[in-house]
Amino acid sequence: AQKVTQAQTEISVVEKEDVTLDCVYETRDTTYYLFWYKQPPSGELVFLIRRNSFDEQNEISGRYSWNFQKSTSSFNFTITASQVVDSAVYFCALIHGSSNTGKLIFGQGTTLQVKP
Amino acid sequence: EPEVTQTPSHQVTQMGQEVILRCVPISNHLYFYWYRQILGQKVEFLVSFYNNEISEKSEIFDDQFSVERPDGSNFTLKIRSTKLEDSAMYFCASSENRAINSPLHFGNGTRLTVT
Repeated sequence: AQKVTQAQTEISVVEKEDVTLDCVYETRDTTYYLFWYKQPPSGELVFLIRRNSFDEQNEISGRYSWNFQKSTSSFNFTITASQVVDSAVYFCALIHGSSNTGKLIFGQGTTLQVKP
Repeated sequence: EPEVTQTPSHQVTQMGQEVILRCVPISNHLYFYWYRQILGQKVEFLVSFYNNEISEKSEIFDDQFSVERPDGSNFTLKIRSTKLEDSAMYFCASSENRAINSPLHFGNGTRLTVT
């Protein structure tokens, strides 16, 4: 069975703090893809990143960075120097590599509140 | 940047009524999806659609639900006889290729309230 767990329900930080959002996944497939989406208060889902299971290289994009570790089945997301505009719900998601159907398995989401 | 467009943004309907949620996917995308999010909960897959037929549907997608691509640009989700528990945010998404090869782009969602 496939499952995505985001154990942190809510995180509150003060602006300029760094914050890491945890994501742990379960799958029996050797080929799979992991995603992060952001859902701001306006409600839309914004794609942030997609990684495949064979690429464990960490990625940095501006203030965002992702740490993928197959050994611990984790794909954590770090925001450096957080800003109020980062306040949103963040979802981690998984799809197995043989999927032809686009069925993403989402985690429960982590609500991040960044206070000024 | 091209967007997935959903209308209406908010739909209120009475229990037992039929609703049609509309989506215009990104124009060169070939794969289409509906997801839903009950308030405060995670996003759940409903159905995927490719080449004018359903590729996969979840257990949520029962006989009350149907999808259609009526005219080559719109992609609709119909709920035949709405129930209170259908109240949720419904997201349409599209991708250029299979989801493993290209990311899903989601619309802004339609909030459905069933009273």
